[in-house]
Amino acid sequence: NAGVTQTPKFQVLKTGQSMTLQCAQDMNHEYMSWYRQDPGMGLRLIHYSVGAGITDQGEVPNGYNVSRSTTEDFPLRLLSAAPSQTSVYFCASRPSGQVWYEQYFGPGTRLTVT
Amino acid sequence: AQSVTQLDSQVPVFEEAPVELRCNYSSSVSVYLFWYVQYPNQGLQLLLKYLSGSTLVKGINGFEAEFNKSQTSFHLRKPSVHISDTAEYFCAVSEKGNFGNEKLTFGTGTRLTIIP
Repeated sequence: NAGVTQTPKFQVLKTGQSMTLQCAQDMNHEYMSWYRQDPGMGLRLIHYSVGAGITDQGEVPNGYNVSRSTTEDFPLRLLSAAPSQTSVYFCASRPSGQVWYEQYFGPGTRLTVT
Repeated sequence: AQSVTQLDSQVPVFEEAPVELRCNYSSSVSVYLFWYVQYPNQGLQLLLKYLSGSTLVKGINGFEAEFNKSQTSFHLRKPSVHISDTAEYFCAVSEKGNFGNEKLTFGTGTRLTIIP
């Protein structure tokens, strides 16, 4: 199993550009989520999905879109990048049911917006 | 709403000394509690969890934590640290009852630095 994979590892964007951060998992997990990590602020939930075709907003959703067409993939789209979106982005997945707490994180994408 | 406070942003400790990383939470209902560890340039890994039962829980790499309901705390401890414990540690909480839609709220993290 590859676990949770994220691409790219690093990205530099100019203000106003758009891009998609990719996330995939091969563990057949129903629940997937995106977090951003900023110094002194910990991890904050951007969007999450409880299954294919179902997404919802987290704590800081503005400026981001998600979709979940398959169980495996959960891409995060930045519509018009802003310097405030400079951050490290983590994708995570977990099973539902009794072991829901076993959350698996990807290695992260470090995004810089200039 | 649930929230987590990690009181120390940085903790330097000499190698082989004991360490305690503090975590307090706030919630109007019963909670599940977690500690995650993030090694440099990696994603987060689950270190240990409290779901129910014994208030002292043991995790990987010799860490343990104690759930104290009256003080709403879940402090992480290790009796003797090693250089390899250098990492950032995050406390997290999830409220019970949201079956199928459990959300984790993370603290701001504590950077543990081991001094040789």
